[in-house]
Amino acid sequence: GQQVMQIPQYQHVQEGEDFTTYCNSSTTLSNIQWYKQRPGGHPVFLIQLVKSGEVKKQKRLTFQFGEAKKNSSLHITATQTTDVGTYFCAGDGGATNKLIFGTGTLLAVQP
Amino acid sequence: DGGITQSPKYLFRKEGQNVTLSCEQNLNHDAMYWYRQDPGQGLRLIYYSQIVNDFQKGDIAEGYSVSREKKESFPLTVTSAQKNPTAFYLCATTSGQPGQQYFGPGTRLTVT
Repeated sequence: GQQVMQIPQYQHVQEGEDFTTYCNSSTTLSNIQWYKQRPGGHPVFLIQLVKSGEVKKQKRLTFQFGEAKKNSSLHITATQTTDVGTYFCAGDGGATNKLIFGTGTLLAVQP
Repeated sequence: DGGITQSPKYLFRKEGQNVTLSCEQNLNHDAMYWYRQDPGQGLRLIYYSQIVNDFQKGDIAEGYSVSREKKESFPLTVTSAQKNPTAFYLCATTSGQPGQQYFGPGTRLTVT
């Protein structure tokens, strides 16, 4: 079945350092979504990418969708302690109204 | 997120008992989902429903059951057949494909 993998599983950075998480799907996606889950909380939608090669920015966050629509990345510039949490990508294969969530990357930021 | 209620926040049950988790939404969304999250893990889809009186199994439906009698409600029953029921259960809704999913606050179920 369709699988979505993320690396790394865990990343610890000093505040101010950059951070990147990568998402890879075993199949071509019609779109990809990114979510953030704070410790003890629930996932919150960040963004959706639809077009091949698409790049979107939200302040210090940059999201990219690969040309083949099978991979994506989230890059955070100059991390802050408020960035702490688990970042999930989620792929929509297009055939059904359901998402396949990646394994997540837990980001820890040391002040 | 606002508009999705899951209750209770924490639930404790003895092994062998069935337990029903509540999910209510006032977002007027057609599709509703149940996910299970284990510590340090991603979200795994249990069941989903795209319309009232219809639902489909997700990737890990064994030991769970659902109903969708009303648009606003999608309760999940964790049966005694579920081998490892202790987990964080999240309910989500979406207004349509390929829209974002809105998550409820979740229920932490502990079975001993």
